[in-house]
Amino acid sequence: EIVMTQSPATLSVSPGERATLSCRASQSVSSKLAWYQQKPGQAPRLLIYAASTRASGIPARFSGSGSGTEFTLTISSLQSEDFAVYYCQHYNNWPGFGQGTKVEIK
Amino acid sequence: EVQLLESGGGLVQPGGSLRLSCAASGFTFSSYAMSWVRQAPGKGLECVSGISGSGDSTYYADSVKGRFTISRDNSMNTLYLQVNSLRAEDTAVYYCVKDLTVVVPPSILDYWGQGTLVTVSS
Repeated sequence: EIVMTQSPATLSVSPGERATLSCRASQSVSSKLAWYQQKPGQAPRLLIYAASTRASGIPARFSGSGSGTEFTLTISSLQSEDFAVYYCQHYNNWPGFGQGTKVEIK
Repeated sequence: EVQLLESGGGLVQPGGSLRLSCAASGFTFSSYAMSWVRQAPGKGLECVSGISGSGDSTYYADSVKGRFTISRDNSMNTLYLQVNSLRAEDTAVYYCVKDLTVVVPPSILDYWGQGTLVTVSS
């Protein structure tokens, strides 16, 4: 089983600032990595897949990078609607999720 | 517009059963794999089962293997999850999820329903 570890658990950021979220896989998942955003009371929303491809309708301020075991989600300039929990997920064989990073207002 | 509408959740006693349904619209249902992903209260996400677009391939997480059965009716654009021998740890919101591909195991989960809550308690 591939274990996904996200850091930090909570990230405090001011609106307009840059946010950098990390995700580490316990073994290589190549570029089979997706990122999701979940707001309270809502279903998750796909942001990024194949490590760096933005999903349909996702703003350009969201970007993903990395391959192998180390991945990053960057939000270039946080908007009020971006405060949420973010999950990474590998899909190298059976999919597995990280435990999430909560992005909160500083 | 892709829409996924789950139903069938509720309160059930340990050892009980439920059948979850998901009515899909806005896309060619048979062309995409579908999955069920659950989220226990205040916890993270767990993919529990997936089914190919044709329905001939299915996958299950070890935590539910032998107790849950996924199926689909492509003529009715509906996904199902039969959940048996329920345990307290199965308590969660169950999301119906569309995959970006037609094959399993589940991969890129591009559209999610709003979920249906299953509570297992005596």
